[in-house]
Amino acid sequence: SYVLTQSPSVSVAPGQTATITCGGSNVAIYSVHWYQQQPGQAPVLVVYDNTDRPSGVPQRFSGSKSGNTATLTITRVEAGDEADYYCQVWDNGSQHVIFGGGTKLTVL
Amino acid sequence: QVHLVQSGGGLVQPGGSLRLSCAASGFNFNHYGMSWVRQAPGKGLEWVALIWFDGSHTLYADFVRGRFTISRDTSQNTLFLEMNSLTADDTGVYYCVKSRSGSGSPFDPWGQGTLVSVSS
Repeated sequence: SYVLTQSPSVSVAPGQTATITCGGSNVAIYSVHWYQQQPGQAPVLVVYDNTDRPSGVPQRFSGSKSGNTATLTITRVEAGDEADYYCQVWDNGSQHVIFGGGTKLTVL
Repeated sequence: QVHLVQSGGGLVQPGGSLRLSCAASGFNFNHYGMSWVRQAPGKGLEWVALIWFDGSHTLYADFVRGRFTISRDTSQNTLFLEMNSLTADDTGVYYCVKSRSGSGSPFDPWGQGTLVSVSS
């Protein structure tokens, strides 16, 4: 079935920009969604349909896609952004929901 | 405001059964697909099952292998997951999630999660 690949970890200093990637074959044809999971809490949707933000999510969070890679970018990173981030797609071929393995963002 | 309140987790022996419930409020339950997603201790998110807005269609992850059944009761605005033949690999936190729009759409919001522990 379809596979989404994420780097296990990303580290960034406060105020800098974090880039979290999600790779998949032909990911250009998929709508990619991103979730933030803070320690001990349920995940929260932060970007959907590649680039859209739910209401209440800061503009510092943005999504993009290029080639076989989707990217979640967090600008002006804050300590409170430290969390696990997951990408997700709906694979119409297999009729399955697919999650990436997750990326742990550490704020130095 | 949308609320998903879960119940029904706990400790169960290998081979045993458990039923999870998820009480929904704050939206028209009949209009949205619903899913279950789980997370093993220290691991990532794993989709378990999905049910169409009207209950007409259900889909399951490959690892379910006929052991789990997702269902919904529109009169109670409640989502269920019946789990049988449980193994240690089924241990984890199970989340009830609402589809944002259509059945292939993102999950928003998530329930608080309920812990399922399979152990002798």
